[in-house]
Amino acid sequence: GEDVEQSLFLSVREGDSSVINCTYTDSSSTYLYWYKQEPGAGLQLLTYIFSNMDMKQDQRLTVLLNKKDKHLSLRIADTQTGDSAIYFCAEMEASGTYKYIFGTGTRLKVLA
Amino acid sequence: EPEVTQTPSHQVTQMGQEVILRCVPISNHLYFYWYRQILGQKVEFLVSFYNNEISEKSEIFDDQFSVERPDGSNFTLKIRSTKLEDSAMYFCASSGGLDQPQHFGDGTRLSIL
Repeated sequence: GEDVEQSLFLSVREGDSSVINCTYTDSSSTYLYWYKQEPGAGLQLLTYIFSNMDMKQDQRLTVLLNKKDKHLSLRIADTQTGDSAIYFCAEMEASGTYKYIFGTGTRLKVLA
Repeated sequence: EPEVTQTPSHQVTQMGQEVILRCVPISNHLYFYWYRQILGQKVEFLVSFYNNEISEKSEIFDDQFSVERPDGSNFTLKIRSTKLEDSAMYFCASSGGLDQPQHFGDGTRLSIL
């Protein structure tokens, strides 16, 4: 079945860029998403990219998609302590009801 | 900005009891979903709902589970006879269309004793 994988932890210094990586298996995925989960909170949609795009930029966030390698990344520029959270990559299964398949989540820790 | 709201935020229930988790999706959305996240594990799809019927359900969503949209605003998940392994965070999501992103609520933490 479809699978989405992420590294579990990332630690960066405040002001540096963070890059969170994700790999997926479903080559027919049409949309890929990044969600942020702060402690005790729900899943906040950060950004998403359509599969015919290579890149999408939204303020401090840049999403890169390499469809050939089934690799998605989220770059956060000028990372702040408020960015500390768990970041989930998700792909939309392009069949049925288009449910989301989530990755394990990457815990980002920003050091002051 | 409109948001998905879930109640209660935390539910503690004895094993074998019935529990109902409530969600109010974004008002003009048409597609509704439940996911769950067992502590330390991935967020997993449970069920999707459209046009007053289940569109798809995962193998987790067995006969103990049911969903309902009793009125024009609420979307509920019922677990008929809870088991210890049902302890998890349950997320409700809604979207305005299949090509629109799903918006998630803050979740209900269900603890089965």
